[in-house]
Amino acid sequence: AQKVTQAQTEISVVEKEDVTLDCVYETRDTTYYLFWYKQPPSGELVFLIRRNSFDEQNEISGRYSWNFQKSTSSFNFTITASQVVDSAVYFCALPDSNYQLIWGAGTKLIIKP
Amino acid sequence: ETGVTQSPTHLIKTRGQQVTLRCSSQSGHNTVSWYQQALGQGPQFIFQYYREEENGRGNFPPRFSGLQFPNYSSELNVNALELDDSALYLCASSVGRSNSPLHFGNGTRLTVT
Repeated sequence: AQKVTQAQTEISVVEKEDVTLDCVYETRDTTYYLFWYKQPPSGELVFLIRRNSFDEQNEISGRYSWNFQKSTSSFNFTITASQVVDSAVYFCALPDSNYQLIWGAGTKLIIKP
Repeated sequence: ETGVTQSPTHLIKTRGQQVTLRCSSQSGHNTVSWYQQALGQGPQFIFQYYREEENGRGNFPPRFSGLQFPNYSSELNVNALELDDSALYLCASSVGRSNSPLHFGNGTRLTVT
């Protein structure tokens, strides 16, 4: 069965610091997708990235980057030069065989000014 | 492009009552998924509708039911409300039964007293 573990419950850093959110997953599928979503205090879940297991290249989007390592079943998310607006709960997710997302417990990120 | 909209934003009900939550999907999306998110936890999949038919269901009792209409909007109905039903209910739309990203609404905060 699919499983997603986000071991960091809460992370607090000062603005402009870099921060990495960890995601470890379990799956028996040979091909799969992984997702990251952001949930700001307003409550709406915002899609950040979808990564196919075939593609192990790191992805960068502005201050955001993702490190996918199939060998360690990890899909970590790094924010460079963090800003107060990055404060949110971040979820990692993995679809099951019916395309339903299995979610991690989330990591609450607090960026202090 | 119109995003996913949910109504109402907040709702307070008494134990034993019934509630209907509504969701309008994003333009061009034919699939709607409903999630329940308790405070401090990740979303839990309730069910998904694709072209007006239920396409997968999570571990929720039959008193949770839903509908999808020809315009792809959807309703979530909960009968015989229990205190544990208090949560944020999130609707997400997507394209087809696939690994396409989910686009979420702002949610309905349900409080059962």
